[in-house]
Amino acid sequence: EVQVVESGGGLVQPGGSLRLSCAASGFTFSSYWMTWVRQAPGKGLEWVAKINQDGSEKYYADSVKGRFTISRDNAKNSLYLQMNTLRAEDTAVYYCARDSAAFDLWGQGTLVTVSS
Amino acid sequence: DIVMTQSPDSLAVSLGERATINCQSNQSVLFSSNSKNYLAWYQQKPGQPPKLLIYWASTRESGVPDRFSGSGSGTDFTLSISSLQAEDVAVYYCQQYYSTPCTFGQGTKLEIK
Repeated sequence: EVQVVESGGGLVQPGGSLRLSCAASGFTFSSYWMTWVRQAPGKGLEWVAKINQDGSEKYYADSVKGRFTISRDNAKNSLYLQMNTLRAEDTAVYYCARDSAAFDLWGQGTLVTVSS
Repeated sequence: DIVMTQSPDSLAVSLGERATINCQSNQSVLFSSNSKNYLAWYQQKPGQPPKLLIYWASTRESGVPDRFSGSGSGTDFTLSISSLQAEDVAVYYCQQYYSTPCTFGQGTKLEIK
């Protein structure tokens, strides 16, 4: 089955760190750009970061630049998002998506809550 | 950044009737070299991730019912549902992928009247 599955979310204090993972299966992971999108509770969609096929190109939203790092391991068919210096406004469901220009495959998401 | 604005914010339509959602960008998302509009539409049902419906402004994703159609070019786009079904209740988002950062509209909540 073609799918992506996120993990690693949870409750973290402001200023803390968290690493999200996204496991891909059913398609040639190394052939695709991959992206992270987040959705704050009751709000709309916000693109966070994207990475190219071999990890040599990375782009970030201004809201996370310098705090978040996107990476991938094609041998493990996995995408990651290292999140540092977390703020309350980073609270959201984080989705991993396959980036075929439009985002044609989404995971179920993992919830990150930043609160003391 | 390109700003995407959807209208209306919410919409109530009777079963079997047509639903129309509009999306406007503050700059063109038409790439002249390939004549493609870098515009997608997504459907998000409660508790679920978004689902791609339409890309290149008017190309239906595989498996999407043909009652869904997209149109428009440049800065003005429309998602139409020709005959509303109960399972179409959702929030719909447009997205431009013409430039980084890609940006989404604020969403349109579609309900049954």
